[in-house]
Amino acid sequence: ELKVEQNPLFLSMQEGKNYTIYCNYSTTSDRLYWYRQDPGKSLESLFVLLSNGAVKQEGRLMASLDTKARLSTLHITAAVHDLSATYFCAVERRGSEKLVFGKGMKLTVNP
Amino acid sequence: NAGVMQNPRHLVRRRGQEARLRCSPMKGHSHVYWYRQLPEEGLKFMVYLQKENIIDESGMPKERFSAEFPKEGPSILRIQQVVRGDSAAYFCASSPSSGGRNNEQFFGPGTRLTVL
Repeated sequence: ELKVEQNPLFLSMQEGKNYTIYCNYSTTSDRLYWYRQDPGKSLESLFVLLSNGAVKQEGRLMASLDTKARLSTLHITAAVHDLSATYFCAVERRGSEKLVFGKGMKLTVNP
Repeated sequence: NAGVMQNPRHLVRRRGQEARLRCSPMKGHSHVYWYRQLPEEGLKFMVYLQKENIIDESGMPKERFSAEFPKEGPSILRIQQVVRGDSAAYFCASSPSSGGRNNEQFFGPGTRLTVL
């Protein structure tokens, strides 16, 4: 059974600081997604990572994928308050259409 | 191009009543997925449907829950005889195809079900 673990689950950080969050998964996967969710809202797609070594950047966020280690990282650079949200990673198992989600990381960026 | 649409956005039911949640996929998408999100949790897969077919229902509870995606009209997730534990946000996602690189799932705004 595919399991997806995120850590940390809660993070409070100061504006301007950098931090990396992690997503581990247990079995071979086709692709990995990062989503952002604001309270009471739907999921906003941030990144789709398709292959080993993939790195994508959007603004202050950069995501990478290491399929050998079954690990993805989401790096936050010079955090701002607007980044406060819950961030989920989700993995699509090879041969399956369903996404398996981590529990999410609730990020609070303090001014 | 309108995104995935779900209605109602909020639904309140009393224990024992039925809940019907609707999802209209994005234009051109023929694959629909339902996920449930309990408070402070990630999303859990429930069911994957194509038009008139249930492809994978491995995440659906065995009783009281059913889903359909008819030839015409939206996909429906139906919960009979709701209980308090059914209170959650139910998200629908759609994708244009299966397999390949173009089957990213796009999520709707969700239906927040509250069972009193």
